[in-house]
Amino acid sequence: DTEVTQTPKHLVMGMTNKKSLKCEQHMGHRAMYWYKQKAKKPPELMFVYSYEKLSINESVPSRFSPECPNSSLLNLHLHALQPEDSALYLCASSPLSRSPEETQYFGPGTRLLVL
Amino acid sequence: GQQLNQSPQSMFIQEGEDVSMNCTSSSIFNTWLWYKQDPGEGPVLLIALYKAGELTSNGRLTAQFGITRKDSFLNISASIPSDVGIYFCAGQSPYGGATNKLIFGTGTLLAVQP
Repeated sequence: DTEVTQTPKHLVMGMTNKKSLKCEQHMGHRAMYWYKQKAKKPPELMFVYSYEKLSINESVPSRFSPECPNSSLLNLHLHALQPEDSALYLCASSPLSRSPEETQYFGPGTRLLVL
Repeated sequence: GQQLNQSPQSMFIQEGEDVSMNCTSSSIFNTWLWYKQDPGEGPVLLIALYKAGELTSNGRLTAQFGITRKDSFLNISASIPSDVGIYFCAGQSPYGGATNKLIFGTGTLLAVQP
């Protein structure tokens, strides 16, 4: 099983709203990632959690707040977003096996539209 | 952010034709990955390559990890309409500790005409 699930699939929010994106995996992976993807562009890394601790923040604005409640769950809290934040938000996970055969598996994404 | 050079940018082919795309980098990578992405969906892993010179197949797909560790190619034989999508290569190298960071290629859009 190499499934990463994400909810919701679609989200429309106003610039004053607060919403959360959720990601879940049950593969026992210990690294989880948030990516942002604009149309026809490759995914851009936002955050990485390793062993439930934030290990990488790619200079993401504070209106995006990640949270990793446990090893299977990853949230992305959204507040006061701008229209240019509209994108496909992808979650991924990887085993953190400390071997060369370390591979990231992606979820289906949440399509976010900020009005 | 950093991106890998991926070519061609797009391909429009007839069903049954073979397809070839490649990625090049100025940096060395430990792992090369090839993903396919359908519109509105997440990238799906097609092939993972872990050793320089490695040639790996997955059905009609064949990929190679360049001997210099700076490039990789993906071939699709006898294309079918469901091969349509965007193909991304990704190089992976350690980012400190055990976490690995993916550097993505710019993508190849494949269109297959029945």
